[in-house]
Amino acid sequence: DAGVIQSPRHEVTEMGQEVTLRCKPISGHNSLFWYRQTMMRGLELLIYFNNNVPIDDSGMPEDRFSAKMPNASFSTLKIQPSEPRDSAVYFCASSLEPGQRNTEAFFGQGTRLTVV
Amino acid sequence: QQPVQSPQAVILREGEDAVINCSSSKALYSVHWYRQKHGEAPVFLMILLKGGEQKGHDKISASFNEKKQQSSLYLTASQLSYSGTYFCGTESGGSYIPTFGRGTSLIVHP
Repeated sequence: DAGVIQSPRHEVTEMGQEVTLRCKPISGHNSLFWYRQTMMRGLELLIYFNNNVPIDDSGMPEDRFSAKMPNASFSTLKIQPSEPRDSAVYFCASSLEPGQRNTEAFFGQGTRLTVV
Repeated sequence: QQPVQSPQAVILREGEDAVINCSSSKALYSVHWYRQKHGEAPVFLMILLKGGEQKGHDKISASFNEKKQQSSLYLTASQLSYSGTYFCGTESGGSYIPTFGRGTSLIVHP
């Protein structure tokens, strides 16, 4: 398997524009996570899907952020409208359903978002 | 709530040892350790479950002290390849989904 695939790798956009980040999880994994990484806060969990259903979105910063998982092989994270403080690296990760025997999350290479 | 990692940064020479600590204000069920090399994705190292177990991964090992609500990562005889940012993730309810700390930057020099 190619691992978790994210696109684009880099995105530069102007404040106020809509940004869509994409993720293809590892085939067979039924859990998907979106993280945001900044120097100030480290690695923050934004939302967690299990079997395509959002289970915990308490980490989504505000209504400008939304995430969808229309099927087992695709997820999007959308920011509308984007603001400079949204600049960060966004990671998608997938795993088997978290449990004592399934604890490893596999991360994609990330999308570096810059909002100017 | 984020766990607190210390130190924030460590600089070593090859062959030296290091300890990275991770503490939480809440009772812990599991502790997860990941390493992220510069410009790359975080990679899983190990998980420790409540019970005070210790685990090892080559020359990297970790302990979990339930009572103190903390975990420590031990890097023995460090190699250049150990350089990176180490994240601990803690979880309290049995969900196995960790909340990560801000990371500890480790630099190993020749």
